[in-house]
Amino acid sequence: GQQLNQSPQSMFIQEGEDVSMNCTSSSIFNTWLWYKQDPGEGPVLLIALYKAGELTSNGRLTAQFGITRKDSFLNISASIPSDVGIYFCAGLNNAGNMLTFGGGTRLMVKP
Amino acid sequence: GAGVSQSPRYKVAKRGQDVALRCDPISGHVSLFWYQQALGQGPEFLTYFQNEAQLDKSGLPSDRFFAERPEGSVSTLKIQRTQQEDSAVYLCASSLARLLGRRIKETQYFGPGTRLLVL
Repeated sequence: GQQLNQSPQSMFIQEGEDVSMNCTSSSIFNTWLWYKQDPGEGPVLLIALYKAGELTSNGRLTAQFGITRKDSFLNISASIPSDVGIYFCAGLNNAGNMLTFGGGTRLMVKP
Repeated sequence: GAGVSQSPRYKVAKRGQDVALRCDPISGHVSLFWYQQALGQGPEFLTYFQNEAQLDKSGLPSDRFFAERPEGSVSTLKIQRTQQEDSAVYLCASSLARLLGRRIKETQYFGPGTRLLVL
């Protein structure tokens, strides 16, 4: 089963609001990633984090890699309708060959 | 450029039927991965190839699941004697390679998935 706990499971927000979601793990990962999945499509990489404590931005998205290497959060500022989708955190194992995904956060944005 | 493609996009199978799912990775990508995504869940790792070698198949749920990549490019995931619990989206991903210190090349690019429904 999955080892990553992601919260919240779903969010329904007003356009323009900021969003925050987080992910915790029972084990350490040296690389954390955040993906977005649209209906009928595969996950698309948003942000990759490689160092504990690292804070990385990609446009309106900001993600941080927790100091303990067991958690991460993703913030989306000034949400827009096209932000709708499911956001997944994922940890990459040391061998670099296996992603472990969280359960996802379903984001809905009301125009 | 072309991304990862998968076929068929949708498959309905009767319980007990065998199915074969195809993945065409991005040209030149060395590594290929299969994941299973149940409804409302995140993807779960099934197996991993580097070129034609299957280096990790620890995520395959039973011996009814078999994957191959004979020429190091296209891969096929085969499920024998399908069961209802096999119903899921099967995602394929590829990456250029994994080189120490060149983490950008570890990025896994996902295909759109094959939605399998077993009745």
